Amino acid sequence: DAGVIQSPRHEVTEMGQEVTLRCKPISGHDYLFWYRQTMMRGLELLIYFNNNVPIDDSGMPEDRFSAKMPNASFSTLKIQPSEPRDSAVYFCASSRTGALGYTFGSGTRLTVV
Amino acid sequence: SQQGEEDPQALSIQEGENATMNCSYKTSINNLQWYRQNSGRGLVHLILIRSNEREKHSGRLRVTLDTSKKSSSLLITASRAADTASYFCAILNSGNTPLVFGKGTRLSVIA
Repeated sequence: DAGVIQSPRHEVTEMGQEVTLRCKPISGHDYLFWYRQTMMRGLELLIYFNNNVPIDDSGMPEDRFSAKMPNASFSTLKIQPSEPRDSAVYFCASSRTGALGYTFGSGTRLTVV
Repeated sequence: SQQGEEDPQALSIQEGENATMNCSYKTSINNLQWYRQNSGRGLVHLILIRSNEREKHSGRLRVTLDTSKKSSSLLITASRAADTASYFCAILNSGNTPLVFGKGTRLSVIA
Protein backbone atom coordinates (compact mmCIF):
# COMPACT_ATOMS: atom_id res chain seq x y z
CA ASP A 1 0.00 0.00 0.00
CA ALA A 2 1.25 3.51 -0.82
CA GLY A 3 0.16 4.87 2.54
CA VAL A 4 -2.02 7.91 3.10
CA ILE A 5 -1.76 10.20 0.10
CA GLN A 6 -2.32 13.94 0.36
CA SER A 7 -2.36 16.54 -2.36
CA PRO A 8 -1.12 19.06 -3.04
CA ARG A 9 2.10 19.01 -0.98
CA HIS A 10 2.33 22.77 -1.07
CA GLU A 11 -0.30 25.40 -1.74
CA VAL A 12 0.18 29.14 -1.89
CA THR A 13 -2.95 31.18 -2.35
CA GLU A 14 -4.17 34.70 -1.94
CA MET A 15 -6.46 35.72 0.86
CA GLY A 16 -10.10 35.23 -0.07
CA GLN A 17 -9.49 32.35 -2.44
CA GLU A 18 -10.95 28.89 -2.01
CA VAL A 19 -8.56 26.13 -1.08
CA THR A 20 -9.24 22.40 -1.37
CA LEU A 21 -7.01 19.83 0.24
CA ARG A 22 -7.31 16.17 -0.71
CA CYS A 23 -6.66 12.89 1.04
CA LYS A 24 -6.70 9.24 0.05
CA PRO A 25 -6.64 7.00 3.12
CA ILE A 26 -5.24 3.50 3.30
CA SER A 27 -7.59 0.94 1.84
CA GLY A 28 -9.52 -0.86 4.55
CA HIS A 29 -9.12 1.88 7.13
CA ASP A 30 -12.48 2.98 8.52
CA TYR A 31 -11.33 6.11 10.36
CA LEU A 32 -10.06 9.29 8.76
CA PHE A 33 -8.75 12.33 10.64
CA TRP A 34 -7.84 15.86 9.61
CA TYR A 35 -5.28 17.62 11.81
CA ARG A 36 -3.71 21.07 11.52
CA GLN A 37 -0.18 21.76 12.76
CA THR A 38 1.22 25.16 13.71
CA MET A 39 4.17 26.15 15.87
CA MET A 40 1.92 27.98 18.30
CA ARG A 41 -0.83 25.40 18.76
CA GLY A 42 0.83 22.13 17.80
CA LEU A 43 -1.37 19.43 16.27
CA GLU A 44 -5.06 20.18 16.45
CA LEU A 45 -7.80 17.77 15.44
CA LEU A 46 -10.20 19.45 13.04
CA ILE A 47 -12.65 16.68 12.19
CA TYR A 48 -12.82 12.94 11.93
CA PHE A 49 -14.91 10.40 10.04
CA ASN A 50 -15.90 6.83 10.71
CA ASN A 51 -17.12 4.80 7.75
CA ASN A 52 -17.35 8.03 5.74
CA VAL A 53 -19.65 9.69 8.30
CA PRO A 54 -18.44 12.82 10.12
CA ILE A 55 -18.37 12.05 13.83
CA ASP A 56 -16.97 15.17 15.44
CA ASP A 57 -16.29 18.48 13.72
CA SER A 58 -15.98 20.55 16.88
CA GLY A 59 -12.36 21.30 16.02
CA MET A 60 -13.23 23.04 12.78
CA PRO A 61 -12.32 26.65 13.55
CA GLU A 62 -15.02 28.44 11.61
CA ASP A 63 -17.77 28.01 9.07
CA ARG A 64 -15.17 28.81 6.45
CA PHE A 65 -13.91 25.25 6.92
CA SER A 66 -15.78 22.24 5.58
CA ALA A 67 -14.86 18.60 5.05
CA LYS A 68 -16.42 15.78 3.10
CA MET A 69 -15.84 12.09 2.62
CA PRO A 70 -17.95 10.98 -0.34
CA ASN A 71 -16.52 7.46 -0.28
CA ALA A 72 -14.07 5.28 1.61
CA SER A 73 -11.13 6.25 -0.55
CA PHE A 74 -11.36 10.04 -0.70
CA SER A 75 -11.80 13.05 1.55
CA THR A 76 -11.52 16.79 1.06
CA LEU A 77 -10.97 19.72 3.39
CA LYS A 78 -12.10 23.03 1.97
CA ILE A 79 -11.44 26.54 3.19
CA GLN A 80 -13.55 29.29 1.68
CA PRO A 81 -12.59 32.09 1.88
CA SER A 82 -9.03 31.54 3.03
CA GLU A 83 -7.27 33.91 5.43
CA PRO A 84 -3.58 34.37 6.33
CA ARG A 85 -4.18 32.83 9.77
CA ASP A 86 -5.12 29.58 8.04
CA SER A 87 -1.50 29.13 7.05
CA ALA A 88 -0.37 25.83 8.54
CA VAL A 89 0.45 22.25 7.65
CA TYR A 90 -2.67 20.14 7.27
CA PHE A 91 -2.39 16.42 7.87
CA CYS A 92 -4.71 13.62 7.01
CA ALA A 93 -4.42 10.35 8.94
CA SER A 94 -6.27 7.07 8.77
CA SER A 95 -6.74 4.12 11.04
CA ARG A 96 -8.83 1.00 11.33
CA THR A 97 -10.82 -0.19 14.29
CA GLY A 98 -8.58 -2.06 16.70
CA ALA A 99 -5.36 -0.79 15.12
CA LEU A 100 -2.54 0.33 17.35
CA GLY A 101 -1.92 3.71 15.79
CA TYR A 102 -2.61 6.17 13.02
CA THR A 103 -0.95 6.41 9.64
CA PHE A 104 -0.29 9.97 8.58
CA GLY A 105 0.09 11.46 5.15
CA SER A 106 2.97 13.78 4.34
CA GLY A 107 0.80 16.84 4.81
CA THR A 108 -0.14 19.89 2.79
CA ARG A 109 1.73 23.08 3.63
CA LEU A 110 -0.73 25.92 3.08
CA THR A 111 0.39 29.50 2.84
CA VAL A 112 -2.23 32.22 2.49
CA VAL A 113 -0.81 35.60 1.51
CA SER B 1 -10.01 16.49 25.79
CA GLN B 2 -6.64 16.42 27.43
CA GLN B 3 -3.30 16.97 25.80
CA GLY B 4 -0.02 15.37 26.73
CA GLU B 5 2.82 17.75 27.46
CA GLU B 6 6.31 16.78 26.41
CA ASP B 7 9.42 17.82 28.25
CA PRO B 8 11.90 19.12 27.31
CA GLN B 9 10.77 21.19 24.34
CA ALA B 10 14.17 20.72 22.74
CA LEU B 11 17.10 18.39 23.36
CA SER B 12 20.54 18.31 21.78
CA ILE B 13 22.90 15.38 22.31
CA GLN B 14 25.96 13.77 20.80
CA GLU B 15 25.69 10.69 18.67
CA GLY B 16 25.94 7.56 20.81
CA GLU B 17 24.35 9.16 23.86
CA ASN B 18 20.92 8.24 25.19
CA ALA B 19 17.98 10.60 24.76
CA THR B 20 15.12 10.76 27.24
CA MET B 21 11.86 12.58 26.61
CA ASN B 22 8.97 12.84 29.02
CA CYS B 23 5.23 13.22 28.64
CA SER B 24 2.75 14.20 31.33
CA TYR B 25 -1.02 14.09 31.14
CA LYS B 26 -3.92 14.88 33.42
CA THR B 27 -6.68 12.29 33.24
CA SER B 28 -7.07 8.54 32.88
CA ILE B 29 -5.99 6.99 29.61
CA ASN B 30 -6.64 3.91 27.53
CA ASN B 31 -3.17 3.97 26.03
CA LEU B 32 -0.32 6.34 25.28
CA GLN B 33 1.53 6.41 21.98
CA TRP B 34 4.77 7.95 20.76
CA TYR B 35 5.27 9.28 17.24
CA ARG B 36 8.25 10.68 15.36
CA GLN B 37 8.12 13.48 12.81
CA ASN B 38 11.02 14.19 10.51
CA SER B 39 11.25 17.69 9.10
CA GLY B 40 8.66 18.26 6.39
CA ARG B 41 7.08 14.86 6.83
CA GLY B 42 4.08 13.31 8.52
CA LEU B 43 4.09 11.62 11.90
CA VAL B 44 5.17 8.01 12.15
CA HIS B 45 3.89 5.70 14.86
CA LEU B 46 6.73 4.34 17.02
CA ILE B 47 5.29 2.50 19.98
CA LEU B 48 2.16 2.12 22.09
CA ILE B 49 1.88 1.36 25.78
CA ARG B 50 -1.42 0.41 27.36
CA SER B 51 -2.61 1.73 30.69
CA ASN B 52 -1.99 -1.62 32.39
CA GLU B 53 1.59 -1.86 31.14
CA ARG B 54 4.63 -0.32 32.79
CA GLU B 55 7.38 -0.77 30.21
CA LYS B 56 7.79 -1.71 26.57
CA HIS B 57 10.75 -2.11 24.29
CA SER B 58 11.15 -1.87 20.54
CA GLY B 59 14.68 -1.99 19.20
CA ARG B 60 16.53 1.01 20.67
CA LEU B 61 13.31 2.45 22.10
CA ARG B 62 12.14 1.97 25.64
CA VAL B 63 8.88 3.42 26.89
CA THR B 64 7.75 3.54 30.49
CA LEU B 65 4.38 4.49 31.91
CA ASP B 66 3.58 5.53 35.45
CA THR B 67 -0.17 5.94 35.76
CA SER B 68 0.08 7.05 39.38
CA LYS B 69 2.18 10.01 38.27
CA LYS B 70 0.36 10.32 34.96
CA SER B 71 3.62 10.37 33.07
CA SER B 72 5.52 8.47 30.42
CA SER B 73 9.07 8.54 29.16
CA LEU B 74 10.65 7.61 25.86
CA LEU B 75 14.27 6.54 25.92
CA ILE B 76 16.29 6.25 22.73
CA THR B 77 19.53 4.42 23.38
CA ALA B 78 22.75 4.85 21.40
CA SER B 79 21.32 7.71 19.40
CA ARG B 80 22.21 8.29 15.77
CA ALA B 81 22.12 11.39 13.60
CA ALA B 82 19.13 9.83 11.82
CA ASP B 83 17.16 10.04 15.08
CA THR B 84 17.05 13.81 14.69
CA ALA B 85 13.34 14.61 14.59
CA SER B 86 10.44 15.82 16.70
CA TYR B 87 8.85 13.29 19.03
CA PHE B 88 5.24 13.48 20.14
CA CYS B 89 3.25 11.66 22.75
CA ALA B 90 -0.41 11.07 22.03
CA ILE B 91 -3.14 10.19 24.46
CA LEU B 92 -6.02 7.85 23.75
CA ASN B 93 -8.81 8.32 26.24
CA SER B 94 -11.55 5.75 26.80
CA GLY B 95 -13.89 4.95 23.95
CA ASN B 96 -13.02 5.75 20.38
CA THR B 97 -12.11 9.39 20.83
CA PRO B 98 -9.27 10.48 18.57
CA LEU B 99 -5.67 10.80 19.66
CA VAL B 100 -4.71 14.08 21.30
CA PHE B 101 -1.12 15.10 20.62
CA GLY B 102 1.32 17.16 22.65
CA LYS B 103 3.51 19.84 21.12
CA GLY B 104 6.52 17.59 20.89
CA THR B 105 10.20 17.45 21.80
CA ARG B 106 12.69 18.49 19.11
CA LEU B 107 15.66 16.15 19.29
CA SER B 108 18.95 17.01 17.60
CA VAL B 109 21.62 14.33 17.47
CA ILE B 110 24.98 15.76 16.55
CA ALA B 111 27.42 13.52 14.72
